Formats: sequence, C-alpha cells, structure tokens
Amino acid sequence: QVQLVESGGGVVQPGRSLRLSCAVSGFPFSGYGMHWVRQAPGKGLEWVAVIWYDGSKKFYADSMKGRFTISRDNSKSTLYLQIDSLRPEDTAVYYCAREISSDSGSYCDSWGLGTLVTVSS
Amino acid sequence: QSVLTQPPSVSGAPGQTVTISCTGSNTNIGAGWLVHWYQQLPGKAPKILIYHNINRPSGVPDRFSASKSGTSASLTITGLRSEDEADYYCQSYDSSLSVQYVFGTGTQVTVL
Repeated sequence: QVQLVESGGGVVQPGRSLRLSCAVSGFPFSGYGMHWVRQAPGKGLEWVAVIWYDGSKKFYADSMKGRFTISRDNSKSTLYLQIDSLRPEDTAVYYCAREISSDSGSYCDSWGLGTLVTVSS
Repeated sequence: QSVLTQPPSVSGAPGQTVTISCTGSNTNIGAGWLVHWYQQLPGKAPKILIYHNINRPSGVPDRFSASKSGTSASLTITGLRSEDEADYYCQSYDSSLSVQYVFGTGTQVTVL
C-alpha cells in the first residue's frame, strides 16, 4: 500500500540548517508531484512547497521563498526539504504528501505521519 | 493569514447536521479552482475527505457531502457521530500571487 515516511526532524538551534526526508513506497514515485505541508503546534495547515514529478519545476509559498528548498531523488523514491537559517517560527510538524493533479487544481491524497522540527536554543 | 476563511469551531449533538463554510474570493474559489476538504483527527495526519468540490474517496461515508457556489464552498456532515470530532480544512488554489496552494483556516468540530 501507499506509504510515506518522513524523517530528519528534531531539536535544532536557530540559524542552523536541516534536511527532511520522505521515503515513499507502494506507488511509482516518479509519476507524481509531491508536496510539503507544515503545521505549527496548535495551528492550522500551511502549504510549503511542491515539486513536479520529474523535478523540473518547484514552487514555494511566498513566505517560504529563499530558505526552503524542495528536491527529490526518483532513483531512491525519496523527497527532501532543506530548511536553512532556521527560526523559532519554523517549529512545526512537517508532512510530505502525494499530489493528484488536474488543470483546475490539485489535492493531496496520501500523507505521511509527519516529522517534528523544533527550533530552540 | 489564509485567504480561505472557515469558522473556528462548530458543534452539534450526535445525529445532528453541521455545516462548515469556506469563504474565498475571485482569485481562488470564485475563479473556478477546485475545492478539496481534509479531515484531521486529533494527533493524526490529514486525510482527504472530499476532492474536486463534491467527490468522496472510497471509504468515506456518505454522511459527508460538499458543495461550492460563487466564492464559497461548504462541507456538511449529516448524522453526526462521535468519531467525526476532528479538525476540517478546505484547500484550493489562489492565482493572485505566484503558485499558491492554500488551506483554509480550519474548523474544529465538536460532538456534544
């Protein structure tokens, strides 16, 4: 069955960098766009970034541009999110999700369990 | 600050019907972009509940229904059950800026 497993979270000091991973199985990874979505403690869902199935296009939420980098390795069926210059407000659970795309808008049909990033000194 | 606004909370007794609104604008829902709904049970990852405005994935009970009109959408839960207690989010696309997938502010449903 479809599985998405995030890893790489933890407690990180402000200003440091972190790379999150999302290992997928159960479907042809190279055929799907993938998203990162985050959720701060007690807050709502916030879209972070999307990457095309082949990695050719990447888009970020305006508030994430500059410090966040989404990437993928289709040979390893793995999605990544690099976060630089971490700030306390980046503290959140980060989810990876599979995209079902259409010309009129896409949605995420499968989600991982998330990985918690805590930015604190 | 999300561009899709939902009521922070709604509640109802078991068996009742509750409706959650998702109010957008002419750059998202009103522009014809599809609306999707997610359910997030306490401590769990979100799960797709409704896609493409009105469609239920297999396994989602028909107690859940949705609609879209103008710049708004709504999710209705009929025959409310205790296991429906969760957070619900609408999601669409906003073309006012660069590529922007947007979630609603979220609504907590409480079963009294």
